[in-house]
Amino acid sequence: DIQMTQSPSSLSASVGDRVTITCRASQSISSYLNWYQQKPGKAPKLLIYAASSLQSGVPSRFSGSGSGTDFTLTISSLQPEDFATYYCQQSYSTLLFTFGPGTKVDIK
Amino acid sequence: QITLKESGPTLVKPTQTLTLTCTFSGFSLSTSGVGVGWIRQPPGKALEWLALIYWNDDKRYSPSLKSRLTITKDTSKNQVVLTMTNMDPVDTATYYCASVTIFGALNWFDPWGQGTLVTVSS
Repeated sequence: DIQMTQSPSSLSASVGDRVTITCRASQSISSYLNWYQQKPGKAPKLLIYAASSLQSGVPSRFSGSGSGTDFTLTISSLQPEDFATYYCQQSYSTLLFTFGPGTKVDIK
Repeated sequence: QITLKESGPTLVKPTQTLTLTCTFSGFSLSTSGVGVGWIRQPPGKALEWLALIYWNDDKRYSPSLKSRLTITKDTSKNQVVLTMTNMDPVDTATYYCASVTIFGALNWFDPWGQGTLVTVSS
């Protein structure tokens, strides 16, 4: 099974900060990596697919990069509505779509 | 516009079978390159993928739960049904269904339904 880890598990940041979240796969998954944002009490929302493709309607301050085992989600200038939990998810193995444990971004 | 909505019981007893229905609009499960997946989230915990069904009736299940899960589709009703047998309190979670986009070998979940909280308790 492909295991996904994320770091940090949580972070505190201020509005306007540049925020970077890392996701690591236990084996190479090429670019088969998606990122989701989840706000409290709400369903997850797709931000990035295929490691670096921005989903339609998602602000350009969000970006994704990486391939193989190491991936990054970057928020270039954190906005108040960005405080949420972020999950990565691999689709390399379509026998098991694994999610990472999540990274909670809260207000400093 | 694609929308999905989960429905089913909010409370089930241990050992019972849970049946959840995902009713969707804005796409057809008879169209090549689409699917519907189920994901759950225990309170305060991470997301866990459960099952997925593709337009061609190809079905995928989480290996750890495969013996307890069944996913089916009714294309005429735009519905996908998930059953989970032998429910246990650890299965208490919000259950989501989501549309799956397939692009080549890539798959992603978007959009998601609002979710339904299922509590397992006697």
